Amino acid sequence: EDQVTQSPEALRLQEGESSSLNCSYTVSGLRGLFWYRQDPGKGPEFLFTLYSAGEEKEKERLKATLTKKESFLHITAPKPEDSATYLCAVQAGGGNQFYFGTGTSLTVIP
Amino acid sequence: DVKVTQSSRYLVKRTGEKVFLECVQDMDHENMFWYRQDPGLGLRLIYFSYDVKMKEKGDIPEGYSVSREKKERFSLILESASTNQTSMYLCASSFLDRYTYEQYFGPGTRLTVT
Repeated sequence: EDQVTQSPEALRLQEGESSSLNCSYTVSGLRGLFWYRQDPGKGPEFLFTLYSAGEEKEKERLKATLTKKESFLHITAPKPEDSATYLCAVQAGGGNQFYFGTGTSLTVIP
Repeated sequence: DVKVTQSSRYLVKRTGEKVFLECVQDMDHENMFWYRQDPGLGLRLIYFSYDVKMKEKGDIPEGYSVSREKKERFSLILESASTNQTSMYLCASSFLDRYTYEQYFGPGTRLTVT
């Protein structure tokens, strides 16, 4: 069964304290791995797509990487405005479905 | 900018009522999706559509139906609302590509069934 697992469930960081969020997946035929940011009471906002192992993408303080089994979202010198839930999703095989993890809730303390 | 809008941000309905949730996208996307999001369960796919009048069941279609009469509009219908359908409902859209494609989400509708 295709699965996406995110860890940790929650993460509290001091402003400026860098860290990483993990998304591990067990799917057949990965077509793409997606990272989203979701603020409370709002819809997810698209951040990155990764297609193959070894690929990296960056946006401001965020950097996403992909291996054959997992993806990391690295947050460098986070600020309070980076506080949000970060969701990971994968698309695999020949279907149209996406499989979402349950997210990591990030809190950055000033 | 891609824009996906949903008809209501908050809805309160009574058990047994028929409920309509509407979603409109302005990017000419072929695919449209309806999810529900519950704490600890993440996003679960209810239905999706890859073309006008076409639909496919997702993981949790029971108690729901959908309608797509125009490319830009995708409606989710709760035939007889129940309290276990209290949730955040999210609509998404994307291009149809033989490789892969990102989804863009609307702001969500928080539905409470009493």
